[in-house]
Amino acid sequence: EPEVTQTPSHQVTQMGQEVILRCVPISNHLYFYWYRQILGQKVEFLVSFYNNEISEKSEIFDDQFSVERPDGSNFTLKIRSTKLEDSAMYFCAGTGGPGQPQHFGDGTRLSIL
Amino acid sequence: AQRVTQPEKLLSVFKGAPVELKCNYSYSGSPELFWYVQYSRQRLQLLLRHISRESIKGFTADLNKGETSFHLKKPFAQEEDSAMYYCALKGSGNTGKLIFGQGTTLQVKP
Repeated sequence: EPEVTQTPSHQVTQMGQEVILRCVPISNHLYFYWYRQILGQKVEFLVSFYNNEISEKSEIFDDQFSVERPDGSNFTLKIRSTKLEDSAMYFCAGTGGPGQPQHFGDGTRLSIL
Repeated sequence: AQRVTQPEKLLSVFKGAPVELKCNYSYSGSPELFWYVQYSRQRLQLLLRHISRESIKGFTADLNKGETSFHLKKPFAQEEDSAMYYCALKGSGNTGKLIFGQGTTLQVKP
């Protein structure tokens, strides 16, 4: 069964540095999402992406964040200047349609020092 | 406001006992609800969705609009059911974003 893959599994970065989290969605999916989960808290929606543009973003997703799907396969989340509070597990998800179940990757654990 | 509440952080039962994981939601309109499960060190996986009304691994969940609940139930818990369970609500609009509850850890003791 095809899977969503995320790399790296763990990223350690100094505060203020840029970080890029990568995701390879399932090939026939059209809708893509990033979620994050701060340790001990709930999974929170960050952004949805469809047809090569952001379709919705949460208030967490400020100007420090950006997403793109440059080559039709990789779906990336960039944090321009990381803060301590960006430390979290970041999950990528995809689906063939907005009403269909989402398939999640294993997540990237981001640790900001 | 759109919200999902899972009141229990941890539910501990013995093998063979019935299980009910509680989920309440707040949503105006017709909700679409899901249960996701995360086994130790694995990814979030869809367990079931209310519109399919099916039973997966012995689990069922019924949408109760009067009580705004979508509790997950299983009559006889197995040790392999030990995992983190998340109730999720599809948000309004057509982006398909999910709104998650806090999650409940189910611990099934032998």
